[in-house]
Amino acid sequence: DAKTTQPNSMESNEEEPVHLPCNHSTISGTDYIHWYRQLPSQGPEYVIHGLTSNVNNRMASLAIAEDRKSSTLILHRATLRDAAVYYCILRDGSNTGNQFYFGTGTSLTVIP
Amino acid sequence: SQTIHQWPATLVQPVGSPLSLECTVEGTSNPNLYWYRQAAGRGLQLLFYSVGIGQISSEVPQNLSASRPQDRQFILSSKKLLLSDSGFYLCAWTLGLTSSTDTQYFGPGTRLTVL
Repeated sequence: DAKTTQPNSMESNEEEPVHLPCNHSTISGTDYIHWYRQLPSQGPEYVIHGLTSNVNNRMASLAIAEDRKSSTLILHRATLRDAAVYYCILRDGSNTGNQFYFGTGTSLTVIP
Repeated sequence: SQTIHQWPATLVQPVGSPLSLECTVEGTSNPNLYWYRQAAGRGLQLLFYSVGIGQISSEVPQNLSASRPQDRQFILSSKKLLLSDSGFYLCAWTLGLTSSTDTQYFGPGTRLTVL
């Protein structure tokens, strides 16, 4: 699986938008971009995924660069419950590869 | 709806003792199953995954082993624990669809401390 690079940590004020960046310069044409988050002392949970177009769901939005070498997870209004580690991972859509490789992610701190 | 169970929730074991962690999934058939370990302050390390009964793929050579005796049961074992085995162990499952859309669901985890 291609590698992703994320900042180790970020801070945001409560009720402000948060933009979490992810670089994936070696992404291939069939790789999907997935985001998960891990709340303290819990397992990760799925947030969102996309291929080329921007995606929205009830949790977040995913903005994908035109060249697909980077993407941004957008939380529209951060709450204290959004404090977590956010992981950006790539999944090869050309096969049924079974592995999920999580990096170290970005630790988001939400300031009241 | 599908649920995933792990036990025990916490475990304190002496160095050199054996280990058995269990994971079961309800509400689905023939899931892909995964074991991860997360050391304190670190990311998730994929240890094993399984696409069916008796089929185990190992990602990292170590003193751990995994078995899948039943479709929805995944067991992580060790004959002799090391201090470095301490961590947060997570079990996860997927439907085994194409990797582009397959979503991974995690259990509550087992926090293991080896003394």
